[in-house]
Amino acid sequence: SQKIEQNSEALNIQEGKTATLTCNYTNYSPAYLQWYRQDPGRGPVFLLLIRENEKEKRKERLKVTFDTTLKQSLFHITASQPADSATYLCALQKDTGRRALTFGSGTRLQVQP
Amino acid sequence: DGGITQSPKYLFRKEGQNVTLSCEQNLNHDAMYWYRQDPGQGLRLIYYSQIVNDFQKGDIAEGYSVSREKKESFPLTVTSAQKNPTAFYLCASTGGGASLGNTEAFFGQGTRLTVV
Repeated sequence: SQKIEQNSEALNIQEGKTATLTCNYTNYSPAYLQWYRQDPGRGPVFLLLIRENEKEKRKERLKVTFDTTLKQSLFHITASQPADSATYLCALQKDTGRRALTFGSGTRLQVQP
Repeated sequence: DGGITQSPKYLFRKEGQNVTLSCEQNLNHDAMYWYRQDPGQGLRLIYYSQIVNDFQKGDIAEGYSVSREKKESFPLTVTSAQKNPTAFYLCASTGGGASLGNTEAFFGQGTRLTVV
């Protein structure tokens, strides 16, 4: 069955450092991969989308890589700030058939001042 | 402002009771989705609709029902057949329509349902 794995343990880093979150998947061939931010008690908010034929995407302090051979995406936040503390979810999406997003369980990031 | 509105924010259900969660969007999006989130877990797909008057079961549809009579609205009913309904319910929409899937999802603020 399809499986999306994100590190369930919280990631704690110091302010100013780069945070790197991992998303691994099996039994899935996504056309797109998306990253979302979720704050406690709120709905997820879209951050970045990367296509299967793209290796890397950047947006301000955010960078996403997508390796379809390794079946892995890395999500980087550079110059992290305490305001970046949240849970980050990766989501996969096909190009045919059921196009609904399939989500990982998320990784909680805590940035210490 | 365009967006998705879920109501109520908190809902309490008695055993054996059906309850309906509201989801309305004014983004003119074709596709809408319902997800369930349990503590410390990701989102699991309950139902989705890619176009008006059509909807499909997701991964955990048992005990739930939906309707899509209007483009703007996608209500979710949690029936008494759902044995463990206490969870955080999220509604989302995407603008790609039935032929496009590569668009971001917009989420509502969620409804927290508790069985009492």
